Amino acid sequence: GAVVSQHPSRVICKSGTSVKIECRSLDFQATTMFWYRQFPKQSLMLMATSNEGSKATYEQGVEKDKFLINHASLTLSTLTVTSAHPEDSSFYICSARDSRAINEQFFGPGTRLTVL
Amino acid sequence: DAKTTQPNSMESNEEEPVHLPCNHSTISGTDYIHWYRQLPSQGPEYVIHGLTSNVNNRMASLAIAEDRKSSTLILHRATLRDAAVYYCILRSNAGNMLTFGGGTRLMVKP
Repeated sequence: GAVVSQHPSRVICKSGTSVKIECRSLDFQATTMFWYRQFPKQSLMLMATSNEGSKATYEQGVEKDKFLINHASLTLSTLTVTSAHPEDSSFYICSARDSRAINEQFFGPGTRLTVL
Repeated sequence: DAKTTQPNSMESNEEEPVHLPCNHSTISGTDYIHWYRQLPSQGPEYVIHGLTSNVNNRMASLAIAEDRKSSTLILHRATLRDAAVYYCILRSNAGNMLTFGGGTRLMVKP
């Protein structure tokens, strides 16, 4: 299947700093990418949908000014957690949908964010 | 998207078949049934999907009830590497994203 990568896989930062997470589709073009968050022992929760070249659509309760999403190319989307706080510590997972196969959605390996 | 109901957890013995059930009584005619699984500390992995007919691939089989109100993911011979959380998800034809429910945590005993 198609490959989605995320970088970094793990990040530890101090409270108040900003963290950028990259999501890349390696062997396909993705006009649509999704960002999920997962707390321990819980399911994935969709944060936002990002479309290449346009503004992201955020789910209810997700602050767009805190979680900045940029989908500047067909293979790259970034999520920036601004002014991170300990409650933002979570597992962040991106997903990309192949433009040619809309029924398939491929997930990245996730980024574990720990805010001290 | 319509809701799915799965058991919280199931246990299986290694090398035996596993049947993971999913109820989706409010499924609509255009909803596809998707199964993903998530191994610990990893992103979800696609397993299989179907619409009306049963489906087979190298990972699993998907049996869909005639009224489509339930489905069963079948792992023919469970291995220790199949221990994961299995998510049954409905996605409408016009839908854009996958919405995850609680899933079933499968434990495989040696």
